[in-house]
Amino acid sequence: ELKVEQNPLFLSMQEGKNYTIYCNYSTTSDRLYWYRQDPGKSLESLFVLLSNGAVKQEGRLMASLDTKARLSTLHITAAVHDLSATYFCAVPRGYSNYQLIWGAGTKLIIKP
Amino acid sequence: NAGVTQTPKFQVLKTGQSMTLQCAQDMNHEYMSWYRQDPGMGLRLIHYSVGAGITDQGEVPNGYNVSRSTTEDFPLRLLSAAPSQTSVYFCASSYKGTGEDEQFFGPGTRLTVL
Repeated sequence: ELKVEQNPLFLSMQEGKNYTIYCNYSTTSDRLYWYRQDPGKSLESLFVLLSNGAVKQEGRLMASLDTKARLSTLHITAAVHDLSATYFCAVPRGYSNYQLIWGAGTKLIIKP
Repeated sequence: NAGVTQTPKFQVLKTGQSMTLQCAQDMNHEYMSWYRQDPGMGLRLIHYSVGAGITDQGEVPNGYNVSRSTTEDFPLRLLSAAPSQTSVYFCASSYKGTGEDEQFFGPGTRLTVL
């Protein structure tokens, strides 16, 4: 059974600091998705990682995928308050993006 | 382009009542999914569809029915609401089922069952 675990589940940090969110999954998959959710809002796609060694960057966020270790990381560089949100990783059952198994989410609070 | 739309935004039901959550997309996406989100948990897949007339069960299908008569619409029916179905429900759609692109999510329906 595919399981997806994120850690930490809660992270409070100061602006300007760097940190990493980890996403581990239990069965073989060569693709992984990162989403962002603001309180009371819907989910917004951040990154689609499609192969081992994939790295994608958008602004202060960088995501990577190591399929051999079954691990993805979301790195935050020089955090700013606007990045406060809950971040989810999701792994597909098989190759489909319409059957996603989700981590529990990492609630990130960035203090000015 | 409205994207993925869901109605209603909020709903309160009594135990045993039935209702339908509506989901529509105008992006001509073949692939659609329903998820529920509970506090402190990630999303869980309820049902999904790979095209008009084709649906299948996800992780937590009990108590829910779906149908897909058109590409645009994918309604979720609660047959006999229970307090355990109190949750936020999200509908999502994608163009390529092979996973090379992301799912787009609707705004959600917040359901409370008393």
